[in-house]
Amino acid sequence: QAVVTQEPSLTVSPGGTVTLTCGSSTGTVTSGHYFYWFQQKPGQAPKTLIYDTSNKHSWTPARFSGSLLGGKAALTLSGAQPEDEADYYCLFSYNGGRPVFGGGTKLTVL
Amino acid sequence: QLQLQESGPGLVKPSETLSLTCTVSGDSISSSSYYWGWIRQPPGKGLEWIGSIYHSGNTYYSPSLKSRVTISVDTSKNHISLKLSSVTAADTAVYYCAREGIWDHWGQGTLVTVSS
Repeated sequence: QAVVTQEPSLTVSPGGTVTLTCGSSTGTVTSGHYFYWFQQKPGQAPKTLIYDTSNKHSWTPARFSGSLLGGKAALTLSGAQPEDEADYYCLFSYNGGRPVFGGGTKLTVL
Repeated sequence: QLQLQESGPGLVKPSETLSLTCTVSGDSISSSSYYWGWIRQPPGKGLEWIGSIYHSGNTYYSPSLKSRVTISVDTSKNHISLKLSSVTAADTAVYYCAREGIWDHWGQGTLVTVSS
């Protein structure tokens, strides 16, 4: 089973830009690898921001974007808002494998 | 509007079996092209994928929980169920169900505490 790694914590200034990354122990991302990004605020269920690495849901704020960066999946927040302070989880899924969550990144907007 | 709602006992004794149901409204499991999954989150910790099921009954389980987990589907009631046997305090968590694929819908979660 793959191991998925995320930065434990990151800090961004209001209005600033930050990139969260998600790497898998399977190595560099290839076709057939899919990443999902979830935002979770205290006491709430996770909310999906990005699916299939770079696709946004209708409710995903435009300031969030998903991509591949240096062989990892990345979630970039451009123009951080105070309400973006939350835990962010990556989910890695690949053909023939079981989905695996990363340990999560605690994002502070300060 | 698709909604998922978890339900079940909030307290389970050690060594017993945890049983939860996820009722789906606003979509038919039997006609959906998505898998339906269970995820859990121990207090203060991260998310863990438990397993998922298709309306045909095809299942996938986390290797670390496979020996203790059973996920089933009842299309007539439009719900999926989770059973986790031989529970310990380490199984105390908020349990969520979700529609997989594009992961667009989650239930609100239900806290299950394992304690005597």
